[in-house]
Amino acid sequence: RKEVEQDPGPFNVPEGATVAFNCTYSNSASQSFFWYRQDCRKEPKLLMSVYSSGNEDGRFTAQLNRASQYISLLIRDSKLSDSATYLCVVLNTGNQFYFGTGTSLTVIP
Amino acid sequence: GAGVSQSPSNKVTEKGKDVELRCDPISGHTALYWYRQRLGQGLEFLIYFQGNSAPDKSGLPSDRFSAERTGESVSTLTIQRTQQEDSAVYLCASSPRTRREQYFGPGTRLTVT
Repeated sequence: RKEVEQDPGPFNVPEGATVAFNCTYSNSASQSFFWYRQDCRKEPKLLMSVYSSGNEDGRFTAQLNRASQYISLLIRDSKLSDSATYLCVVLNTGNQFYFGTGTSLTVIP
Repeated sequence: GAGVSQSPSNKVTEKGKDVELRCDPISGHTALYWYRQRLGQGLEFLIYFQGNSAPDKSGLPSDRFSAERTGESVSTLTIQRTQQEDSAVYLCASSPRTRREQYFGPGTRLTVT
């Protein structure tokens, strides 16, 4: 079983829509959780860390459910510039990061 | 401030040649990671350095791959006797001691012909 699994999509949504991505992880001892975005042919960039209590950054909300080993990212009022691949990332004991294969989002005018 | 830098940005080499890729982490970042990303694929962990501790080499795919880092500075990833399946983007990332977020360099795109 993969350490981190994501729905690859693609998700094609109109501008202004709300879209949610999900991610599951296999190691219950995982320590830290993140969402990164990766634009085509570019390096990944940190979008936000995910905290146990859930956290919000503008139009982006991240949730963590440790019991179900599940992480989510909600994007409200989608913009064209949100089009990218969103990577779920988990840090396990031993300081090794595990990346999901990413979920592709295209926001359509 | 300056981010993670990598060189070269692109490298085309013939099968069987050795290549050396360089990563300059953000100053003060104690952790440094190398990843490989094949076209259309996710990131594949290669190796992890933390300060002066022994590196975690568990992700290196074969003994043709090696990496060095001196202290908390520059790192080099060496691939010997390159094969076509080594063609990928090689990404380096660094992290500060006190936080876990990774900051990525722009990558080196390696093409083995």
